[in-house]
Amino acid sequence: KAGVTQTPRYLIKTRGQQVTLSCSPISGHRSVSWYQQTPGQGLQFLFEYFSETQRNKGNFPGRFSGRQFSNSRSEMNVSTLELGDSALYLCASRQGSDQPQHFGDGTRLSIL
Amino acid sequence: AQTVTQSQPEMSVQEAETVTLSCTYDTSESNYYLFWYKQPPSRQMILVIRQEAYKQQNATENRFSVNFQKAAKSFSLKISDSQLGDTAMYFCAFEGGSEKLVFGKGMKLTVNP
Repeated sequence: KAGVTQTPRYLIKTRGQQVTLSCSPISGHRSVSWYQQTPGQGLQFLFEYFSETQRNKGNFPGRFSGRQFSNSRSEMNVSTLELGDSALYLCASRQGSDQPQHFGDGTRLSIL
Repeated sequence: AQTVTQSQPEMSVQEAETVTLSCTYDTSESNYYLFWYKQPPSRQMILVIRQEAYKQQNATENRFSVNFQKAAKSFSLKISDSQLGDTAMYFCAFEGGSEKLVFGKGMKLTVNP
């Protein structure tokens, strides 16, 4: 069974641009969560989607948004990029609430 | 709000030795899960072990075992027979009713040959 797939692996953007990151969950997993990892703040929860609905949201500004498609694939969008958005963005999927989350390799986003 | 604390930022151990990583957490919830995740330089977050709070028995997975002390809100990970491939960042994490993971700051473990 293929694991969680995140694309692209690396991304370089400039301030003010917007970016879209993609996550394909493990087959059969309907829940997808996103996390931001930075050296200063560590790992922080962004949001979770289940059956195309946002079920949970972390404490991030509205520039961070996401969506989930009917095939459970998820995208995360960040608009008006700031230098502080440079981070590793991790996606995780799971089968149900009582199951552990399994992570992808992440997308490394660098803002110049 | 839940918090997870890993007080040791870095540890090193010799190959084949045993090492214990500590973690404490704070919550008012009674039902929750605790996890240890490993993040090698390849950066994928890998699940090492999971403990359900309602289970008194400590979880084990091959060379990895936990010491779960619910009253003390302590959740340590013991790695036996350390291997070079165990070199990684280790994160302790909590999941309660909100169903989102709350992570500690992590601890860098180096296994030396």
